[in-house]
Amino acid sequence: ETGVTQSPTHLIKTRGQQVTLRCSSQSGHNTVSWYQQALGQGPQFIFQYYREEENGRGNFPPRFSGLQFPNYSSELNVNALELDDSALYLCASRQGAISGANVLTFGAGSRLTVL
Amino acid sequence: DQQVKQNSPSLSVQEGRISILNCDYTNSMFDYFLWYKKYPAEGPTFLISISSIKDKNEDGRFTVFLNKSAKHLSLHIVPSQPGDSAVYFCAASDTGGFKTIFGAGTRLFVKA
Repeated sequence: ETGVTQSPTHLIKTRGQQVTLRCSSQSGHNTVSWYQQALGQGPQFIFQYYREEENGRGNFPPRFSGLQFPNYSSELNVNALELDDSALYLCASRQGAISGANVLTFGAGSRLTVL
Repeated sequence: DQQVKQNSPSLSVQEGRISILNCDYTNSMFDYFLWYKKYPAEGPTFLISISSIKDKNEDGRFTVFLNKSAKHLSLHIVPSQPGDSAVYFCAASDTGGFKTIFGAGTRLFVKA
């Protein structure tokens, strides 16, 4: 089975620009979540998508938005980039609507640098 | 608000000895606690979890202990191996919840 794949792996943008990051979930997983990991910190929850609907959001402004497609792949869009948006963006997938520990399968991440 | 805290940024251990990584939390509503391991240039990978109704869970060389009254959990690795050198994240979630809250991580160095 394939794992979670993310693209691009690295990118550099300037303040005010917009960026789109992409994620393919693990086969059989219908729930995708996105996390931001700043340097020296743990991953911070941005939002989660289940069956193409956002069903949870962390403490991030509306300029962070996303999509989930019928094949369960997902996009993270960030508008009006700020310097503090520089971070590793991690996509994680899991099988939704199950009980037990919320075990996530992560991709390797997209490292965004905002200049 | 830091609901999950890992107060030790790094830990160095000799190969073959025990590694103990600690984690504290503030929210009594968490149902599950998890540990993830992260190597450079890779995403975090799930290591072991424990339900809030248990106080110990073991998987091979890895054991997680939960002390609910102290809101504290720890991960024990015995014996430690050089391949265990990585960043370890403590995380917490509620049942079926959409949000997993991570600590800042502890970087473990296992010296040969």
